[in-house]
Amino acid sequence: GNSVTQMEGPVTLSEEAFLTINCTYTATGYPSLFWYVQYPGEGLQLLLKATKADDKGSNKGFEATYRKETTSFHLEKGSVQVSDSAVYFCALTLQGAQKLVFGQGTRLTINP
Amino acid sequence: EAGVAQSPRYKIIEKRQSVAFWCNPISGHATLYWYQQILGQGPKLLIQFQNNGVVDDSQLPKDRFSAERLKGVDSTLKIQPAKLEDSAVYLCASSFSSRYNEQFFGPGTRLTVL
Repeated sequence: GNSVTQMEGPVTLSEEAFLTINCTYTATGYPSLFWYVQYPGEGLQLLLKATKADDKGSNKGFEATYRKETTSFHLEKGSVQVSDSAVYFCALTLQGAQKLVFGQGTRLTINP
Repeated sequence: EAGVAQSPRYKIIEKRQSVAFWCNPISGHATLYWYQQILGQGPKLLIQFQNNGVVDDSQLPKDRFSAERLKGVDSTLKIQPAKLEDSAVYLCASSFSSRYNEQFFGPGTRLTVL
């Protein structure tokens, strides 16, 4: 079936550290890939997306590259801030369908 | 632009009681989704509407869950009777059309079943 697997959390980093959150997927066909973020007390927000192989999504200093050969979409940021503390979800949709299939989420805490 | 509105934000009920959640999507959005997010897991789609028609309800426990979107705008999700395992956050999302991927999420309703 179609699924998304994220690295286990929680993740705790110091401010200005480099961030990687791993995400791999299993899907039939050619999915679109997403990262959503959920800040404390708020709803899910789209952070970035990529719709085909080798596309790079980027937003707010975060980046992720759609790697078809490794079925991965790892989230990276060069220098994290306290305000990046949130839960991050990797997700996919399949061609012709709108249903989002989410990973389990990774809680990120950034300490000053 | 106003976002997706949901109410109530929190609800506590006892098992076997019934409960209803309301969602008002972003104006002009034809597609509406209800997701269930159990603590420690990612959201799981329960039902998807395109205008007032159901597109996907394959993961909706139809013996106890029901949803409607009668006028193609706001929507109600109902659970009757509730079970302990229904404790979760219920998220509503909307998108402009069935071909446009970005979904906008509401703040969710946190349900606790005692």
